Amino acid sequence: NAGVTQTPKFQVLKTGQSMTLQCAQDMNHEYMSWYRQDPGMGLRLIHYSVGAGITDQGEVPNGYNVSRSTTEDFPLRLLSAAPSQTSVYFCASSYSRASGYQETQYFGPGTRLLVL
Amino acid sequence: AQKVTQAQTEISVVEKEDVTLDCVYETRDTTYYLFWYKQPPSGELVFLIRRNSFDEQNEISGRYSWNFQKSTSSFNFTITASQVVDSAVYFCALSEANDFNKFYFGSGTKLNVKP
Repeated sequence: NAGVTQTPKFQVLKTGQSMTLQCAQDMNHEYMSWYRQDPGMGLRLIHYSVGAGITDQGEVPNGYNVSRSTTEDFPLRLLSAAPSQTSVYFCASSYSRASGYQETQYFGPGTRLLVL
Repeated sequence: AQKVTQAQTEISVVEKEDVTLDCVYETRDTTYYLFWYKQPPSGELVFLIRRNSFDEQNEISGRYSWNFQKSTSSFNFTITASQVVDSAVYFCALSEANDFNKFYFGSGTKLNVKP
């Protein structure tokens, strides 16, 4: 089991460029999510998905798009990067929460993004 | 309002000292979950513990222990006989029954354990 994988590990963008951060999991988890981590602010939820074809916004969704065409993959797209999006991005996954039972989230290694 | 507060930004101790990391949470739900994660210098997030709101029993795992007190809305984490390998940023997180799909993290406490 590779767990949760993220690519790339590090990326430098210029303002206005677009890119996609990749996230994949091989644990058959239904729930996947994206967070950004900024100094002194902990992790903040950007978007999440409770299954293929279903996505929803988190705490800080502006400037980011997501889609979930398969159970395994949950890419995060920046359509027009801004310096304010410089951050470390974490993807996480867990089993379904449909029953109301809170499953533990497992995190990928992170992607460090620098927007100039 | 901040749902999870970790007031200690950074703590430094000498190896073998005991250290307690504080976590105070805020919720109106009667059903919720609390978590602790460790982020070592390598950057990954490591799950340490999950506790639900109906289980106030303290938990011990080796040198780690957790004290959950609903009366004070706190879920504190104690490391006994700290070691240099415990140096990391520790995050407390909350998930509420009314929206289990969202996690709220505290800002983290950086623990420095010096030899």
